[in-house]
Amino acid sequence: GENVEQHPSTLSVQEGDSAVIKCTYSDSASNYFPWYKQELGKRPQLIIDIRSNVGEKKDQRIAVTLNKTAKHFSLHITETQPEDSAVYFCAASTGGTSYGKLTFGQGTILTVHP
Amino acid sequence: ETGVTQTPRHLVMGMTNKKSLKCEQHLGHNAMYWYKQSAKKPLELMFVYSLEERVENNSVPSRFSPECPNSSHLFLHLHTLQPEDSALYLCASSLDRGYEQYFGPGTRLTVT
Repeated sequence: GENVEQHPSTLSVQEGDSAVIKCTYSDSASNYFPWYKQELGKRPQLIIDIRSNVGEKKDQRIAVTLNKTAKHFSLHITETQPEDSAVYFCAASTGGTSYGKLTFGQGTILTVHP
Repeated sequence: ETGVTQTPRHLVMGMTNKKSLKCEQHLGHNAMYWYKQSAKKPLELMFVYSLEERVENNSVPSRFSPECPNSSHLFLHLHTLQPEDSALYLCASSLDRGYEQYFGPGTRLTVT
């Protein structure tokens, strides 16, 4: 089955800096890659996603890039703010009989210092 | 409010108890999911339902029994659990499989 590795496990940055979180996946058939943000004590919420027919997607300060050949994708947050502090999860989903099944990475604890 | 609710929010149960977790979505979605979130482990998919039919059972022990009576409701029936089953249980729904998943607030389960 699919295996998703996420790095780093913790990331500490100063307000205004950029943050990058990387994920690799094992199943070359994976075609959907969402990123979720989970604040302490709250539910995971989708912040951005990308499908395999696109190499990059941006939404204001957040961007995701996908390299299908290398089977990795990354989350980029620019001009970080204290409210960006949370746990971020990447995930990968395949098609076929497991269509819609998300396999999650281990999570990255992002801390943005004022 | 994402439109996915879960009850109870907290549950403490003994290993011989039987309890049920409830999830309800008000989004008109056709797919629903149960996840387990343990400390220091990734979110683990447990079950997937599409149009009330179970389409995925991710090797979950039989002490966890899901039920989907209609596309808006999802239950997780629990019996003879183990302490290692203590975790946050999250429900999610999506328009269909392969679409954005919306999570509920979760039920924090403690097995004593």
